[in-house]
Amino acid sequence: SQTIHQWPATLVQPVGSPLSLECTVEGTSNPNLYWYRQAAGRGLQLLFYSVGIGQISSEVPQNLSASRPQDRQFILSSKKLLLSDSGFYLCAWSVLGGTDTQYFGPGTRLTVL
Amino acid sequence: DQQVKQNSPSLSVQEGRISILNCDYTNSMFDYFLWYKKYPAEGPTFLISISSIKDKNEDGRFTVFLNKSAKHLSLHIVPSQPGDSAVYFCAASADTDKLIFGTGTRLQVFP
Repeated sequence: SQTIHQWPATLVQPVGSPLSLECTVEGTSNPNLYWYRQAAGRGLQLLFYSVGIGQISSEVPQNLSASRPQDRQFILSSKKLLLSDSGFYLCAWSVLGGTDTQYFGPGTRLTVL
Repeated sequence: DQQVKQNSPSLSVQEGRISILNCDYTNSMFDYFLWYKKYPAEGPTFLISISSIKDKNEDGRFTVFLNKSAKHLSLHIVPSQPGDSAVYFCAASADTDKLIFGTGTRLQVFP
């Protein structure tokens, strides 16, 4: 069966510090991968998605970037965090060419102080 | 422009009764619709989906209804249980590998 991992689970970082969140998927090959953010009191905002290694599409211009160095690894980064980057970050995967159903990881709670 | 809307931010239902969560969309190209359930500090869990070629899909206590002419879908939970208390998100896709999510409805099921 497929599983998706995210780490860390929680993170407290000062403003201006760098960020690296990692997501890995097991049990499937060539998945579509996604990064979402859920800010307090808001829905799920798609940040990035990837249909293959090195292929990243950005949905919202912001202080973040994403990379996919391996087929089942998706990384969310920032060089300098802003207060507004605080939120709950979720990684998700779906089957390439499938029904578009996405399966989410456990999430990372990021607090920028 | 919010293409998927959940106009009720919260809903309170007594245990054993029916919970009805609503979702409206504006994009007529959407052809696949999903409902997710989310507990605090956890990732959303896929609940049920429906293709635009159908108007109803049922899975146990959960039924999703799709009204394409009204661009409206709903999730019925019968009977509601306290463990159903969570935030429910509807989502839609237009065959682009991307989902557009609503802002969620918080369901509280009380005894």
